[in-house]
Amino acid sequence: KAGVTQTPRYLIKTRGQQVTLSCSPISGHRSVSWYQQTPGQGLQFLFEYFSETQRNKGNFPGRFSGRQFSNSRSEMNVSTLELGDSALYLCASSMTGEANEKLFFGSGTQLSVL
Amino acid sequence: SQQGEEDPQALSIQEGENATMNCSYKTSINNLQWYRQNSGRGLVHLILIRSNEREKHSGRLRVTLDTSKKSSSLLITASRAADTASYFCATDLRATDSWGKLQFGAGTQVVVTP
Repeated sequence: KAGVTQTPRYLIKTRGQQVTLSCSPISGHRSVSWYQQTPGQGLQFLFEYFSETQRNKGNFPGRFSGRQFSNSRSEMNVSTLELGDSALYLCASSMTGEANEKLFFGSGTQLSVL
Repeated sequence: SQQGEEDPQALSIQEGENATMNCSYKTSINNLQWYRQNSGRGLVHLILIRSNEREKHSGRLRVTLDTSKKSSSLLITASRAADTASYFCATDLRATDSWGKLQFGAGTQVVVTP
């Protein structure tokens, strides 16, 4: 079974631009979560999607958004990029997103904002 | 803010030695999980322990959970160079809005030298 796939692996953008990151979950997994990882703040939860609906959201500004498609693939978008948005963005999937499930993570997208 | 705090922040040992790291958390949980991350990559699930369990084993891993002290420990026995990674504890919350959301600690960076 293929794992969680994130594309692209690396991205370099400049301030003010926008970016879209993609995540394909493990086949059969319907819950997709996104996390931001930085050296200063560690791993921070962004949001979670299930059946094309956002069920949970972390404390990030509205510039961070996401969506999920009918095949459970998910995208996240960051508009008006700031230097502080430089981070490793991780996508994780699970069957239902319930608390007793382990998360399967992709390798991440390393975003650098110049 | 992070729910979990790992101790120590960094650990350097030789192959064959045991590695122990601790995690403390602040609020009531359903489960506690441990993940491993190799540099710049995604996280890999190691073990999940439920709030009504006190100890769990998986291969060379032993996890304990003390809910009265709100703490957990991860022991890696007979360490190998391949165990070099960062280790994170992650907790979910006893809340209805915990879909896909884990709160990660800052991690313990483990270096195992041959």
